[in-house]
Amino acid sequence: GIQVEQSPPDLILQEGANSTLRCNFSDSVNNLQWFHQNPWGQLINLFYIPSGTKQNGRLSATTVATERYSLLYISSSQTTDSGVYFCAVRLYTGGFKTIFGAGTRLFVKA
Amino acid sequence: DSGVTQTPKHLITATGQRVTLRCSPRSGDLSVYWYQQSLDQGLQFLIQYYNGEERAKGNILERFSAQQFPDLHSELNLSSLELGDSALYFCASTKGQGENSPLHFGNGTRLTVT
Repeated sequence: GIQVEQSPPDLILQEGANSTLRCNFSDSVNNLQWFHQNPWGQLINLFYIPSGTKQNGRLSATTVATERYSLLYISSSQTTDSGVYFCAVRLYTGGFKTIFGAGTRLFVKA
Repeated sequence: DSGVTQTPKHLITATGQRVTLRCSPRSGDLSVYWYQQSLDQGLQFLIQYYNGEERAKGNILERFSAQQFPDLHSELNLSSLELGDSALYFCASTKGQGENSPLHFGNGTRLTVT
């Protein structure tokens, strides 16, 4: 089956720093989403980005579907950015399934 | 607020028991998905329903079952519960079958089996 790999697995940042999270996938996909799971366990939809680049405030994402990767950029990080960031890909395998990567655990220090 | 409602928020029960988790999708969404997230683990896809019919199946145990009702809400039934079933259970919904629309997640039900 498809492999979804996220890097780095863990990241510690000083408040105000920038970072790039990466998601590699091993097969063609229909679409891709980035989620943030906050410390309370809620899954927040950040970007729905099958291809191209999108920006939302301090966050932006780029997906290059032909090369099977996506990047999530966090600029001027804040302590509220802490949590786990998941990449999820959607593909058809006898039904449309969304497969999640293992996540990048981010801690932003004040 | 994603618009997906899950109840209850927390559930504590004993081994061997049976529980039912409930999910109401966003208004207009026809597909419902169930995911399991065990402690410090990623999200495992369990099952998808589209307009009342099962559409895709993941790593769902035989002790678990789900259904989607005519009003589009869904229930996940977990029976003969084991300690290892303790997890956060998420429901998500999409407009169509999900090929070209984003997943929207509820806040989850935290199940503790003692």
